[in-house]
Amino acid sequence: DAKTTQPPSMDCAEGRAANLPCNHSTISGNEYVYWYRQIHSQGPQYIIHGLKNNETNEMASLIITEDRKSSTLILPHATLRDTAVYYCTIAGTYKYIFGTGTRLKVLA
Amino acid sequence: SAVISQKPSRDICQRGTSLTIQCQVDSQVTMMFWYRQQPGQSLTLIATANQGSEATYESGFVIDKFPISRPNLTFSTLTVSNMSPEDSSIYLCSVQQGAVNEKLFFGSGTQLSVL
Repeated sequence: DAKTTQPPSMDCAEGRAANLPCNHSTISGNEYVYWYRQIHSQGPQYIIHGLKNNETNEMASLIITEDRKSSTLILPHATLRDTAVYYCTIAGTYKYIFGTGTRLKVLA
Repeated sequence: SAVISQKPSRDICQRGTSLTIQCQVDSQVTMMFWYRQQPGQSLTLIATANQGSEATYESGFVIDKFPISRPNLTFSTLTVSNMSPEDSSIYLCSVQQGAVNEKLFFGSGTQLSVL
């Protein structure tokens, strides 16, 4: 199973872009990169996912390197409500393995 | 999307007893998973609940300790058996609706404290 490595914590000023990196050097060719976030020990919430191309939705953008060994989640204008733990995970066949995540704190 | 109802939301149990956690989904789903999240830690996959057959357990988790049922495509239960304080965790039900690599939806979790 592909594993992910993320920095344990990051701070970001409110209104600025938050860039959260993830390393997944053992990813296989057919595995997707998924990002989830968890607020206050609630169930994790889906943010975005991608295979090879960069992706954007109403919540965030996902940048995947050409070799697919790393990715960056971008929250373009972070708000206080974006304070959460962000998990980068690799979706293998019917199984998701979650790494340790990044605790993002958005500062007023 | 899928709406997941997980019960109970929290419980305090005595050592040596068992607790059954229920997960009900508002639509038929392909895959159901059970995760454990110990205090301050990430999510650890316990098992995949297979409809009509025995669950598939991850390394470190066994059926005798965490029996799982999945009688149909919308419901599953996880039992935490013969509990000890080390079982104090949040237990999360998760579902995947469609094909491989589809996104996961999570229940709100069961906060279990064992005294």
